[in-house]
Amino acid sequence: DAGVIQSPRHEVTEMGQEVTLRCKPISGHNSLFWYRQTMMRGLELLIYFNNNVPIDDSGMPEDRFSAKMPNASFSTLKIQPSEPRDSAVYFCASSAGNGIGETQYFGPGTRLLVL
Amino acid sequence: AQSVSQHNHHVILSEAASLELGCNYSYGGTVNLFWYVQYPGQHLQLLLKYFSGDPLVKGIKGFEAEFIKSKFSFNLRKPSVQWSDTAEYFCAVTPSLGGSYIPTFGRGTSLIVHP
Repeated sequence: DAGVIQSPRHEVTEMGQEVTLRCKPISGHNSLFWYRQTMMRGLELLIYFNNNVPIDDSGMPEDRFSAKMPNASFSTLKIQPSEPRDSAVYFCASSAGNGIGETQYFGPGTRLLVL
Repeated sequence: AQSVSQHNHHVILSEAASLELGCNYSYGGTVNLFWYVQYPGQHLQLLLKYFSGDPLVKGIKGFEAEFIKSKFSFNLRKPSVQWSDTAEYFCAVTPSLGGSYIPTFGRGTSLIVHP
């Protein structure tokens, strides 16, 4: 298995632009997580999907952030408009079952820099 | 909701030294516990996990962790570290039953091993 795939691996954009991050979970995994990692705040969970349905989005920082999972093999995290404080590494992770107690498999991350 | 505390933010050791990284959690029920490692520039990957049974868990690369229920702790240990163990280490917890099934990660401990 190729593992969790994320694209792009690096993104540099200007403030105000729309940013779309993509994730392909491991085939057969039912749960998908989006995380943000910064030096200041560590690893933060943004949103969690189970069977393509958003279960908990309480970690999404504000309305500028949105996430979708149109099918079991694809998810997007969108930031519109982007701001410099959004600069971080964004990780996608997937796990089997309903995610309860399951090992998470992380993607390589997207390193986002907003100028 | 559960929480995880990693007391050591930065640890610097010489090769062959012994390692112990602290992890304490707070949650009233039974939990699943994890240690993840993030090597420089890479994504998080699982080191070891505890679900039930023997509280001493052995993971990859010579790491082990002991679950002490009375202390709400799950400390990570390695008897002799190597330069290649330089990485960020994250402790995580999820409830085994009920509660929020979303994993909670600690802030991480940065380990630097001098050759």
